[in-house]
Amino acid sequence: QTVVTQEPSFSVPPGGTVTLTCGLSSGSVSTGHYPTWYQQTPGRAPRTLIYGTNIRSSGVPARFSGSILGNKAALTITGAQADDESNYHCVLYMRSGISIFGGGTRLTVL
Amino acid sequence: QLQLQESGPGLVKPSETLSLTCTVSGGSITSSSYYWGWIRQPPGKGLEWIGSISYSGRTYYNPSLKSRTTMSVDTSKNQFSLKLSSVTAEDTAVYYCARHVVFWFYFDYWGQGTLVPVSS
Repeated sequence: QTVVTQEPSFSVPPGGTVTLTCGLSSGSVSTGHYPTWYQQTPGRAPRTLIYGTNIRSSGVPARFSGSILGNKAALTITGAQADDESNYHCVLYMRSGISIFGGGTRLTVL
Repeated sequence: QLQLQESGPGLVKPSETLSLTCTVSGGSITSSSYYWGWIRQPPGKGLEWIGSISYSGRTYYNPSLKSRTTMSVDTSKNQFSLKLSSVTAEDTAVYYCARHVVFWFYFDYWGQGTLVPVSS
């Protein structure tokens, strides 16, 4: 069974840069998995940050960027702000038509 | 502005069937550019994709839930629905409905979510 892996937690100082990753238990992540990143605060529905590996959703600040780094998808926040303290979820599309979410990363800004 | 709203019973008993409906407003459900999906999130845990359905009724289900999942669509009411049978406490979660963009395979609009506890 395929598992999508994310760091459980991460910390970044205000103004700092952090890269969260999204991997596969077997194999490499590619653009063909159409990596998507969501931001979620407690009690709220997820908000789309990045889709199609590196396309910022409407209204998303430029400090958020997506890429493929090595064999994983990556979300980089450059110049982190207090408002960025959230849970970040990645999801990968499989050619079989299914979507698999990672376990999420809790980001602390301090 | 597209809006999605989940509705259904607030509590389900173990072994029974969980039924939810998502009403779409501000846009039509009959577009080949989109599927319509269900995602859930157990308290304090991550997101889990349950399945997606096209307006014509083509479905894709999470293999781990497939045997218990049925999704349907009612274009006349601009609604789509989820049924999850034989529920246990592990099915307690916030259930979200969302629009699934076919070309990019992501969910762009989400409902606010509804908590469905499974308890006797």
